[in-house]
Amino acid sequence: QKEVEQDPGPLSVPEGAIVSLNCTYSNSAFQYFMWYRQYSRKGPELLMYTYSSGNKEDGRFTAQVDKSSKYISLFIRDSQPSDSATYLCAMSAGGKLIFGQGTELSVKP
Amino acid sequence: GAVVSQHPSRVICKSGTSVKIECRSLDFQATTMFWYRQFPKQSLMLMATSNEGSKATYEQGVEKDKFLINHASLTLSTLTVTSAHPEDSSFYICSARDRGLAGSGEQFFGPGTRLTVL
Repeated sequence: QKEVEQDPGPLSVPEGAIVSLNCTYSNSAFQYFMWYRQYSRKGPELLMYTYSSGNKEDGRFTAQVDKSSKYISLFIRDSQPSDSATYLCAMSAGGKLIFGQGTELSVKP
Repeated sequence: GAVVSQHPSRVICKSGTSVKIECRSLDFQATTMFWYRQFPKQSLMLMATSNEGSKATYEQGVEKDKFLINHASLTLSTLTVTSAHPEDSSFYICSARDRGLAGSGEQFFGPGTRLTVL
């Protein structure tokens, strides 16, 4: 079993839809949770960073962490074609990052 | 802030040659930098962790004599792929951890270097 599980998709939604992306993990020592966005042939860009449990909102993006269920989510409201990318969850206990496989998202105009 | 650059962005070389990739943190000091490789449609695979002024720590299965890492300053790390072969063709990405955020796990990524070995 992988330490971090993420559905690779692909996920296709119409413009304006609410997108929900999720990851589960098995290591209870993880305290730092991140979501990265990666466009094709580019490096990952940090979208959201959360420490421990709770919610964090930044514009159209909301990150949720539920440590009791070992489950994290990223919500994208009013999705735009420019949101089309691969979204990677990543987590850490303070050392190296452990990545999910990445979910490929396509937002259709 | 938190910008990481990589050079070159793309390189094509002949089999048997060595290729050096540079990773720089432009607006912060990075005591730790990381090197990843990524195959198409796959996630990032950590190759090694490099700390300024000390030897890199390689992940299991990564040949340290083939992938030479040097972290000579707080803003520069280099990865040299020695005697490159076609199977080394991949997307290489570095990341850096801000010295002031050492315990947070947060990493900032470079734009990546696409290596093609003919």
